Amino acid sequence: EPEVTQTPSHQVTQMGQEVILRCVPISNHLYFYWYRQILGQKVEFLVSFYNNEISEKSEIFDDQFSVERPDGSNFTLKIRSTKLEDSAMYFCASNFRDRAQSSGANVLTFGAGSRLTVL
Amino acid sequence: DQQVKQNSPSLSVQEGRISILNCDYTNSMFDYFLWYKKYPAEGPTFLISISSIKDKNEDGRFTVFLNKSAKHLSLHIVPSQPGDSAVYFCAASRRYQKVTFGTGTKLQVIP
Repeated sequence: EPEVTQTPSHQVTQMGQEVILRCVPISNHLYFYWYRQILGQKVEFLVSFYNNEISEKSEIFDDQFSVERPDGSNFTLKIRSTKLEDSAMYFCASNFRDRAQSSGANVLTFGAGSRLTVL
Repeated sequence: DQQVKQNSPSLSVQEGRISILNCDYTNSMFDYFLWYKKYPAEGPTFLISISSIKDKNEDGRFTVFLNKSAKHLSLHIVPSQPGDSAVYFCAASRRYQKVTFGTGTKLQVIP
């Protein structure tokens, strides 16, 4: 079964450093997302991306964050200057909305996540 | 801004019995409601969904019930199996918009 692949699985960084988290969405999917989960808290939406541009973003997704689809397969999340509170599990997700329309629900396929620890 | 709330952080159920996981929401504009299951070290996996125009959707052992007037939905698992032990997230969205998740309920099915 096709899956969303994320790298690295765990990254430890110093506060103020730049981090890039990478994702390979399912190949025929058109919509890409980043979510994060701080330990013990809910899974929070960060950003959605379609047709090479951001389609929606949350208030968490400030100027420190950026997303990019540098080639036909990768989808990256960059955090420019990490803060302690950025420590979380970051999940990439993708979907192909037209196929989801049998139910209409926006069904996302998630990767296993990248754990970011900021020291 | 907790638009989707799961008030029970954990639930323990005996194998073979029914598991009922509850979820409340505040945004009456949501069109779809979903349940995801998450095992440790894995991403959330879609389980079942329901449109806001329905009040019940069933898929094998899993049934989701929606009470729009109460802004409440529940997931029933019958019969519960040890492999169902996971964190269950309730989620909701408007058509074509972001999916908003609850905080999750950790289900433990005891053999």
